[in-house]
Amino acid sequence: AQTVTQSQPEMSVQEAETVTLSCTYDTSESDYYLFWYKQPPSRQMILVIRQEAYKQQNATENRFSVNFQKAAKSFSLKISDSQLGDAAMYFCAYRMDTGNQFYFGTGTSLTVIP
Amino acid sequence: DTGVSQDPRHKITKRGQNVTFRCDPISEHNRLYWYRQTLGQGPEFLTYFQNEAQLEKSRLLSDRFSAERPKGSFSTLEIQRTEQGDSAMYLCASSHRDRALYEQYFGPGTRLTVT
Repeated sequence: AQTVTQSQPEMSVQEAETVTLSCTYDTSESDYYLFWYKQPPSRQMILVIRQEAYKQQNATENRFSVNFQKAAKSFSLKISDSQLGDAAMYFCAYRMDTGNQFYFGTGTSLTVIP
Repeated sequence: DTGVSQDPRHKITKRGQNVTFRCDPISEHNRLYWYRQTLGQGPEFLTYFQNEAQLEKSRLLSDRFSAERPKGSFSTLEIQRTEQGDSAMYLCASSHRDRALYEQYFGPGTRLTVT
């Protein structure tokens, strides 16, 4: 079974600093997709960044980047130059290449301190 | 592109009552998903539609739950004989057939409270 683990229920970062959110997953598949979603308070979930498992290069989207370690089954999110608007719940998610289900972790609540 | 919409946003019901939620996906998206999210947890997959066909259902979806997507457009999720354990946020998401593997757009959710 696929499981996604986020071991940091809460994290905080000073505005303009860098923070890294951790995620590990368990799978026996070789082809899959990994995602980070952001869920601001009382707002809908939006995709932050995605990584295809067959790609060795780590994905980057502006201030957001990932550290994808396939052998270790680790997928961390780095947020650089943190902004107040980054405060949200962040969910790591996994999807098999051949499946329809997304499997989500329990989330990390990020607080940005002015 | 007006995004995924869900109605109602909040629903309070008494135990034993039936409730129905509606999801309107992004217009060109042929795939639609329902998730349930409880406090402190990530979304859990409930069911998936491709056009009007319900292709996958989670074991979480008991017999009291039914979902439909007539004509492959909007979808409804009905819960019969609600129980307190059904209290949760119900999320809908949609994706385009060409990008379904890696893009899901979520709606704002319907928060259900069963008293």
